[in-house]
Amino acid sequence: EAQVTQNPRYLITVTGKKLTVTCSQNMNHEYMSWYRQDPGLGLRQIYYSMNVEVTDKGDVPEGYKVSRKEKRNFPLILESPSPNQTSLYFCASSLGLANEQFFGPGTRLTVL
Amino acid sequence: QKEVEQNSGPLSVPEGAIASLNCTYSDRGSQSFFWYRQYSGKSPELIMFIYSNGDKEDGRFTAQLNKASQYVSLLIRDSQPSDSATYLCAVDNSGGSNYKLTFGKGTLLTVNP
Repeated sequence: EAQVTQNPRYLITVTGKKLTVTCSQNMNHEYMSWYRQDPGLGLRQIYYSMNVEVTDKGDVPEGYKVSRKEKRNFPLILESPSPNQTSLYFCASSLGLANEQFFGPGTRLTVL
Repeated sequence: QKEVEQNSGPLSVPEGAIASLNCTYSDRGSQSFFWYRQYSGKSPELIMFIYSNGDKEDGRFTAQLNKASQYVSLLIRDSQPSDSATYLCAVDNSGGSNYKLTFGKGTLLTVNP
């Protein structure tokens, strides 16, 4: 089954404790993105990757890191999480920017 | 920062009516335009995409694009209660070395039986 998977689905952590949210797709897509969704602010792109080893900032990259060492995986790293990073996070993949984005199930993160 | 604005909603229509959702964007260089539907607690899923000026129809859904006015809309004919969801407009910002995708804040649609 073609899909985008994210783990964990739910996470409660404390300020400053490094964490990684994994994202994997099995569709051989080149374009991958991370978004955060907050009430009243909509879906905002954090980082995107055009292909392996090619990543760039989206609209809200502060406090996040990403890497793309393999085509299928695009982890999101929070080196020192803060409460303002409490949000619902979505990973998505597509053939390219002009194509349908396939979204993962979401990760709800709470930073205390 | 490129912007995508949607009518704020919420929008409530009776079953069987036409629902009209609107979106404006600021980047004149945008080439790809998408409408996603998001049910409460779920991930967004693609409803329509449009690249060229004019109308594009798919079943009960019609997307309309006017690049001169920087405007894209989604019409849902014969609205059903199952269409009740948040609708997200997305626009590419691919000028220069950017390959971003910008979403509007969404419009919540409720279809009343």
